[in-house]
Amino acid sequence: GAVVSQHPSWVICKSGTSVKIECRSLDFQATTMFWYRQFPKQSLMLMATSNEGSKATYEQGVEKDKFLINHASLTLSTLTVTSAHPEDSSFYICSARPGQGIYEQYFGPGTRLTVT
Amino acid sequence: GQNIDQPTEMTATEGAIVQINCTYQTSGFNGLFWYQQHAGEAPTFLSYNVLDGLEEKGRFSSFLSRSKGYSYLLLKELQMKDSASYLCAVLDSNYQLIWGAGTKLIIKP
Repeated sequence: GAVVSQHPSWVICKSGTSVKIECRSLDFQATTMFWYRQFPKQSLMLMATSNEGSKATYEQGVEKDKFLINHASLTLSTLTVTSAHPEDSSFYICSARPGQGIYEQYFGPGTRLTVT
Repeated sequence: GQNIDQPTEMTATEGAIVQINCTYQTSGFNGLFWYQQHAGEAPTFLSYNVLDGLEEKGRFSSFLSRSKGYSYLLLKELQMKDSASYLCAVLDSNYQLIWGAGTKLIIKP
């Protein structure tokens, strides 16, 4: 149980375009979802926390107008990288937390974004 | 501020035992997690400690001392596939996960 899927697993896009990444909890309802990015050989960096039906809470230094997060249902959250630039190239990972006293985060497999 | 420290890199031999330490200073404590992350993949859950003591799960064990702000992950009978980064994370008073930078474990034959 506790499976989180992420789509796409990798994407290449041109500068200036937008990319949407989906994160789904397949067998549980996620009251909270998290979006991370990770540069090579570095640790996870939390970008934002989203609760179903409410606006995401962004970490300091993360542009909310550039990284649009929508958590429309208890099983789906999306991250849209708008007007992508090469420096946005990174490994984006989502995680989901069931809530109800369960604080473990279950991670999706990640999305590798390359902006050319 | 909140801080989690763990060694950047460790090397061990196949078949041996290795202990990865983690010390933390956080605003509140609601548990400590260990995750394993292979290169290019997402983290996978290993253990969760909220009470003091040792939790054993197969070849992996995790220990916690809340009074010392200290935890370790013990890996026994090391296998080549254990080469990965091991992330320590603390759940703070707001139930937010504070992540360590991770320890890269290199296993040599």
